[in-house]
Amino acid sequence: KQEVTQIPAALSVPEGENLVLNCSFTDSAIYNLQWFRQDPGKGLTSLLLIQSSQREQTSGRLNASLDKSSGRSTLYIAASQPGDSATYLCAVKWNSGNTPLVFGKGTRLSVIA
Amino acid sequence: DTGVSQNPRHKITKRGQNVTFRCDPISEHNRLYWYRQTLGQGPEFLTYFQNEAQLEKSRLLSDRFSAERPKGSFSTLEIQRTEQGDSAMYLCASRSGEETQYFGPGTRLLVL
Repeated sequence: KQEVTQIPAALSVPEGENLVLNCSFTDSAIYNLQWFRQDPGKGLTSLLLIQSSQREQTSGRLNASLDKSSGRSTLYIAASQPGDSATYLCAVKWNSGNTPLVFGKGTRLSVIA
Repeated sequence: DTGVSQNPRHKITKRGQNVTFRCDPISEHNRLYWYRQTLGQGPEFLTYFQNEAQLEKSRLLSDRFSAERPKGSFSTLEIQRTEQGDSAMYLCASRSGEETQYFGPGTRLLVL
């Protein structure tokens, strides 16, 4: 069964710290992997998308890496800010075309001022 | 606003009632997805449309659920004879080609 796991479920850090969120997936033959942000009671905002042929993607203070062989991805957030507090979701697409995303349960991040 | 919109944003209903949600995707996107998200979980796929054709349905989509996209633009998701277990956030997403999926703000359903 194709599954996505995110650890930890929750994380609390002081403002300014660098942090890493983890995502692991069964079946390394993925098509792409996305990281999303979700604020409480809201929809999802796409942060970064990594194609299977790529090793990493960067956007501002965010860097996502992909290691297909080990079935892992990390989301690195530099110099965290209180505004980064949200739930971060990892989602995998295993085939091209119409295949839906399979999501992890997310990591709830709190950045304390 | 050119993003995905969903209405209503919140719905409270009594068990046994029918409810209908609407999703308006980004105008040039021909692919539309419905997901359900319960508290503390990630979104789970329900169904997928390409234009007006419903191409895939999850096992989560019981007989009480029906989705339509009659003209290949907006979509509706109806739940008949609602149960307390249907309480969740219902999310709609759209995409075009191989781009990322763009999500709407969701409809939060509470069944009393």
